Amino acid sequence: EVQLLESGGGLVQPGGSLRLSCAASGFPFSGYAMSWVRQAPGKGLEWVSVISGRDGSTSYGDSVKGRFTISRDNSKNTLYLKMDSLRVEDTAVFYCAKASMLAAGIIDYWGLGTLVTVSS
Amino acid sequence: EIVLTQSPATLSLSPGERATLSCRASQSVSSYLVWYQQKPGQAPRLLIYDASNRATGIPARFSGSGSGTDFTLTISSLEPEDSAVYYCLQRSNWPYTFGQGTKLEI
Repeated sequence: EVQLLESGGGLVQPGGSLRLSCAASGFPFSGYAMSWVRQAPGKGLEWVSVISGRDGSTSYGDSVKGRFTISRDNSKNTLYLKMDSLRVEDTAVFYCAKASMLAAGIIDYWGLGTLVTVSS
Repeated sequence: EIVLTQSPATLSLSPGERATLSCRASQSVSSYLVWYQQKPGQAPRLLIYDASNRATGIPARFSGSGSGTDFTLTISSLEPEDSAVYYCLQRSNWPYTFGQGTKLEI
């Protein structure tokens, strides 16, 4: 059974940093692209970043480019998102998401999410 | 960035009725359009990928159609548990973008 367990969310001041982690199990982690998708309170979904399975190539949404860094440790089956220069508008539930074997752009499993609140 | 516009914003129907949800793209996304269902307090659930392919375990009452810029998600006979917000997603061009969602009330 695929499981994705996010951690690391919490309250941080504007301009601060936070690192999210996602522990994955139930599938061959290194073989799949992984993503972070966020949802501001009461709002829609925004794809934040994606990282490929083996070569680690990455892409970022324009709103986080230069501030967020996605990475993975295939030996630990763990996905990360380092968030710097956080803004109030980054407040959201951050979901860890697994791509299907069909394509990186098709998410077939999601974690339960971790809430990041940016406020003074 | 490709903008996806979903309509209507809210749809109120009765059990057994047919629901038709629309997603329009600001430019062609070919068939690279995905549909998700999200219930309150839950993560999204994959329904349809690449416009018309049902994901594993999705009931046959869910179907998708369209290509280019105009797409439709149809739920043929509504069940009470279909109450949710439905999002479309384009995976044609990065950044992948979601529509703003259609809230379906049963």
